[in-house]
Amino acid sequence: SQELEQSPQSLIVQEGKNLTINCTSSKTLYGLYWYKQKYGEGLIFLMMLQKGGEEKSHEKITAKLDEKKQQSSLHITASQPSHAGIYLCGAYSGGSNYKLTFGKGTLLTVNP
Amino acid sequence: DAEITQSPRHKITETGRQVTLACHQTWNHNNMFWYRQDLGHGLRLIHYSYGVQDTNKGEVSDGYSVSRSNTEDLPLTLESAASSQTSVYFCASSPGLSIDTQYFGPGTRLTVL
Repeated sequence: SQELEQSPQSLIVQEGKNLTINCTSSKTLYGLYWYKQKYGEGLIFLMMLQKGGEEKSHEKITAKLDEKKQQSSLHITASQPSHAGIYLCGAYSGGSNYKLTFGKGTLLTVNP
Repeated sequence: DAEITQSPRHKITETGRQVTLACHQTWNHNNMFWYRQDLGHGLRLIHYSYGVQDTNKGEVSDGYSVSRSNTEDLPLTLESAASSQTSVYFCASSPGLSIDTQYFGPGTRLTVL
């Protein structure tokens, strides 16, 4: 079965700093999703990456997919307290299987 | 607006009782999923359905059951609640036409005493 490892597990940054969260898969990535979760709330979809080398941005958040490394990175530029939360990556294992496997998440704290 | 809802949002029950958590989506999505989220384990798949009358076991299905009688609903039943089932439960849905985004409900926090 596919496993996703996220690093770091937690991260504390000062407001305005840049940061990167990584998600590494044990198997080939066919679709990689990034979600954000606020404490006590559901997961909010951020971005989906499907092709090797693909890069997407939404406001100050950029995600990239390195197919060869079976890895995705999520980069936040000039972090703000509103970016705080848990970031989770999820991936499909391919075929007609619509199930997502998730990493354990990265807890981001942004200090003002 | 279309949405996915879960009820109740919070539930406290006793060991051995039967509990049913509701999940309702108005997107007309074919696929629906139930996950539990626990510290140190992340999100784990309990059961999923690809359409009416279709149900499948996920990686942590023991002690749980689901049934899909219509497109909109996938209730999750704990047959005899155990303390190990104390968790936050999330329902999700996706269109099911291809690899596509799963959209999550707000979650149900279940405590089994």
